[in-house]
Amino acid sequence: AQSVAQPEDQVNVAEGNPLTVKCTYSVSGNPYLFWYVQYPNRGLQFLLKYITGDNLVKGSYGFEAEFNKSQTSFHLKKPSALVSDSALYFCAVSSLYNFNKFYFGSGTKLNVKP
Amino acid sequence: KAGVTQTPRYLIKTRGQQVTLSCSPISGHRSVSWYQQTPGQGLQFLFEYFSETQRNKGNFPGRFSGRQFSNSRSEMNVSTLELGDSALYLCASSLSGQGKNTEAFFGQGTRLTVV
Repeated sequence: AQSVAQPEDQVNVAEGNPLTVKCTYSVSGNPYLFWYVQYPNRGLQFLLKYITGDNLVKGSYGFEAEFNKSQTSFHLKKPSALVSDSALYFCAVSSLYNFNKFYFGSGTKLNVKP
Repeated sequence: KAGVTQTPRYLIKTRGQQVTLSCSPISGHRSVSWYQQTPGQGLQFLFEYFSETQRNKGNFPGRFSGRQFSNSRSEMNVSTLELGDSALYLCASSLSGQGKNTEAFFGQGTRLTVV
C-alpha cells in the first residue's frame, strides 16, 4: 500500500528565514514524489517532482526538495520564505504502474509572518 | 496555453439528486484524473481516464462514475447525492503519465454543496 505522511499540520516561519515542510512516504517499488501548493479556493499548483536522478530537486518559486531513500522522506525547503508563500502544501506519491494515481498527504499549512 | 477548465465552479444540490461535473484538460493531454477534497478525508483519488478508458479507480461507491470523450474531455457523475458528498472536486490532466512526463496539472475545482 502507498501512503504519505505530513507530520505537521502547520508550520510558522518569519519572512526571510528558511522553511522546511516535512513529508515521508511508503510505496512499493520506486516512488514518484511530488509537491503541490494550494491557495484558498484554488486548485493545486505543481511545485516540483522527483522521478529519478539527483536527490536534490529544484522547482518553481525557489522551492527545492531532497529525496532521501533511506529515510523515505521528501522534505520541501526554501532558503528564504516570503509572505506570499503562505498557503497549503501537499506532498504526493505515485508509482510506476499507477502514474496518475496520487496518494496525497494531509497537507501542511505554511504561515509566513512579516 | 489554456489550463485545465472545470465547470461549473460552484454547485448546490439537494440530497437524492444527481450531478454531473465537467473537466476540459490541457490541449494534447490524454489522461484525466478526478479527486475529492474534504476537510476530514483530505484529497482522495476517484478515478483516471486515458483514451476514453478507465485506467484506475479509487475506493468510492458505485454512485460515483465518470467517462471520457474522444476529445479527452471528461465528466464525472454522482447519483443519489448524500450530505457527505459535499466537497471540492478536482480534475487533473497529464500527457500520459509515463516516466518524466508524469506531471499532473489541476483545475480550480468544482465546489459541490449538498443540502
